[in-house]
Amino acid sequence: DTGVSQNPRHKITKRGQNVTFRCDPISEHNRLYWYRQTLGQGPEFLTYFQNEAQLEKSRLLSDRFSAERPKGSFSTLEIQRTEQGDSAMYLCASSSNDRGRVHGELFFGEGSRLTVL
Amino acid sequence: ILNVEQSPQSLHVQEGDSTNFTCSFPSSNFYALHWYRWETAKSPEALFVMTLNGDEKKKGRISATLNTKEGYSYLYIKGSQPEDSATYLCAFLNDYKLSFGAGTTVTVRA
Repeated sequence: DTGVSQNPRHKITKRGQNVTFRCDPISEHNRLYWYRQTLGQGPEFLTYFQNEAQLEKSRLLSDRFSAERPKGSFSTLEIQRTEQGDSAMYLCASSSNDRGRVHGELFFGEGSRLTVL
Repeated sequence: ILNVEQSPQSLHVQEGDSTNFTCSFPSSNFYALHWYRWETAKSPEALFVMTLNGDEKKKGRISATLNTKEGYSYLYIKGSQPEDSATYLCAFLNDYKLSFGAGTTVTVRA
């Protein structure tokens, strides 16, 4: 399977604990996105990488959230000192801007569902 | 934060009936509008990427139109089937990132 892979698929944690999610994008894609989706809402932009460079981070993202994409391949999203309001589906997506495909579609993973007790 | 609105929030359709729903978005600084289908327990999947005013795209029984001047897009499902049951998301492209609407959840009854 050469699609976008995310793990873990589900994570239940106690408030105050740290969690980390991993995303493996489609190998030739240079862009990688993290979105968060809560019940009744559409996916909300968190951050965006072009290769290994983090080009944008949502102002909605507190300092407890950090994302990395070492070597421009897989990415991790870490949430420190989790709060109940962090409970959500965390979606990763990748895309390619090769050959001028500026408007290219995103390819999503199946998401990592976080429940903070 | 860009305002992308979808309506209705949900709808129920009898198998074989056709339906449509709306996405509205800012009409200024338009680059592209995306439609995605998100089935339960699966990942969102792209249906259409629309870039030009007046664009009409079709994939099987699903089609979409785009009006960038007034800021809306319609998605149509012709002859709905149970496998069309999903949440349909539209997203407005701005500065290389997509701003999503809350989606329209379609349930097709057999």
